[in-house]
Amino acid sequence: EAGVAQSPRYKIIEKRQSVAFWCNPISGHATLYWYQQILGQGPKLLIQFQNNGVVDDSQLPKDRFSAERLKGVDSTLKIQPAKLEDSAVYLCASSSRQGETEAFFGQGTRLTVV
Amino acid sequence: ILNVEQSPQSLHVQEGDSTNFTCSFPSSNFYALHWYRWETAKSPEALFVMTLNGDEKKKGRISATLNTKEGYSYLYIKGSQPEDSATYLCASGTSYDKVIFGPGTSLSVIP
Repeated sequence: EAGVAQSPRYKIIEKRQSVAFWCNPISGHATLYWYQQILGQGPKLLIQFQNNGVVDDSQLPKDRFSAERLKGVDSTLKIQPAKLEDSAVYLCASSSRQGETEAFFGQGTRLTVV
Repeated sequence: ILNVEQSPQSLHVQEGDSTNFTCSFPSSNFYALHWYRWETAKSPEALFVMTLNGDEKKKGRISATLNTKEGYSYLYIKGSQPEDSATYLCASGTSYDKVIFGPGTSLSVIP
């Protein structure tokens, strides 16, 4: 089966600019996650969708980050405006059932804010 | 424990050595414990998902155990090989459907 697709793989932007990431999960997976992984730390959950509804966005900095999953399939994560501390790898993952089954990850987008 | 903790942070072993890592997680509202291997420039890949106290799982030279009452899991690698070099992440899933990742253990296997 096709894996989780993410784009772009790399992005370099200046602070205060905007950026958007795209994720296409594995077909049929209802749960979609966006994680932020800062160098030296474990992935931090930003937002979790179940179909097109938000299950958890408690750690999403809502003043600058937004995410949507229209039609319960593809998802986009946007940062506007970006800050230096947003430099990280943004991972998208999907699973067939929340929590109890393994998550399948995309290759991630490495964002550098200069 | 409110967060998922892993130790050691990093580890360097000689090829052929056996090694193990620890993952500590909140025992309340526990639902599942995941182990992932994350190789440089690749996506994290699931190794095991365990749900029952006393669970033991094995895949080749890698095995894992789970103690949900005390909130810990061990990952063992027997006869480490250079291709085992990676960051090993554990993640705890709660009954509230939240999956929390630990910071990872970085393993380097020296040929």
